[in-house]
Amino acid sequence: SYEVTQPPSVSVSPGQTARITCSGDALPKKYAYWYQQKSGLAPVLVIYEDGKRPSGIPERYSGSSSGTMATLTISGAQVEDEADYYCYSTDTSGNQRVFGGGTKLTVL
Amino acid sequence: QVHLVESGGGVVQPGRSLRLSCVASGFTFSSYAMHWVRQAPGKGLEWVAFISYDGNNNYYADSVKGRFTISRDNSKNTLFLQMNSLTTEDTAVYFCAREEPAAGFDSWGQGALVTVSS
Repeated sequence: SYEVTQPPSVSVSPGQTARITCSGDALPKKYAYWYQQKSGLAPVLVIYEDGKRPSGIPERYSGSSSGTMATLTISGAQVEDEADYYCYSTDTSGNQRVFGGGTKLTVL
Repeated sequence: QVHLVESGGGVVQPGRSLRLSCVASGFTFSSYAMHWVRQAPGKGLEWVAFISYDGNNNYYADSVKGRFTISRDNSKNTLFLQMNSLTTEDTAVYFCAREEPAAGFDSWGQGALVTVSS
């Protein structure tokens, strides 16, 4: 079955840039989406279609994709950005959906 | 305002069945594809199943294929997940989520806890 892979954890100091990667063989052809989840609450979409930001999401959140890797970037990370972040995408058929294992972002 | 409310969770013995429901409001339910996503305690998100807006297409994760069935009743704005042959590995919070075309899962329910235990 198809998989996308994320690092388990990323740690930055407040004000620094946090980058979370997601790798998958289908990413050259399929979009990546990024979700933020805090403390067991329902996830929140922060980036869709590789690099588009939903309304209400701060401008410090951005996304990009190149080859088999997608990247979520948080420029000037703040303490309130501490959360688990999940990459989501599909296999080349578009039928099998998959979440990455999640990345715990620590800002301190 | 979009609202998704899951129900039907609880404690069930291994091998038994359970049906989850998700009632939608605040939008035209029959126009949107829907999904079930689950999260085991202390673990990450796992996509479970997809159903098209009209119910004619559905897809499943390998881990539940042949045991779970996703369905919907557009006349009642309700999404279902029939779960059979449950195992302890199915213990999780189950979320229903709306898929906004080209924008991913833009709305989620609060989740329903399913515990499979003898």
